[in-house]
Amino acid sequence: GENVEQHPSTLSVQEGDSAVIKCTYSDSASNYFPWYKQELGKRPQLIIDIRSNVGEKKDQRIAVTLNKTAKHFSLHITETQPEDSAVYFCAASISGATNKLIFGTGTLLAVQP
Amino acid sequence: NAGVTQTPKFRVLKTGQSMTLLCAQDMNHEYMYWYRQDPGMGLRLIHYSVGEGTTAKGEVPDGYNVSRLKKQNFLLGLESAAPSQTSVYFCASSNPGLAGFGPGTRLLVL
Repeated sequence: GENVEQHPSTLSVQEGDSAVIKCTYSDSASNYFPWYKQELGKRPQLIIDIRSNVGEKKDQRIAVTLNKTAKHFSLHITETQPEDSAVYFCAASISGATNKLIFGTGTLLAVQP
Repeated sequence: NAGVTQTPKFRVLKTGQSMTLLCAQDMNHEYMYWYRQDPGMGLRLIHYSVGEGTTAKGEVPDGYNVSRLKKQNFLLGLESAAPSQTSVYFCASSNPGLAGFGPGTRLLVL
């Protein structure tokens, strides 16, 4: 089955710096890759997603890149702000089949003011 | 439009007791999922359903059962709770791809 690895487990940056979180997946059939942000005590919330027919997607300060050959995808946050502090999860699924989302283990991002 | 809801929000059980967690969605989604979240281990898929009347095992199904008798509801059962099942349980639904999560159920098994 699918396995998703996520690095780093913790990341501390200064406000205004960029943050990058990386994930790898094992199942080459996976074609949908969402990223979720989870604040303390709350439910995960979708922040951006990418499908396998696209190499990069951007939404304001966040972007996601996908390398299908290497089975890597990454989340990029630019101009980080204290409110970006949270746990970020990547996930992979085979959309159109079971659609089950398999998650990475999460990255705790701390943005220091 | 309530989205995905879960009941109860919090529960304390004794070892060996049973309980059912209810997930409900009002978005007419086909796919529903149960995850558990433990510190340092992310969200692990327990069971999922690709439509009314269907269920399938996820990554960590042992000790849990599920049912999807109605499209809008997905029930997670613990027949004989164990301390290892202390966790936060999240339900999600999708149609397909984008998954929205419920608020979570915090379960403590003593």
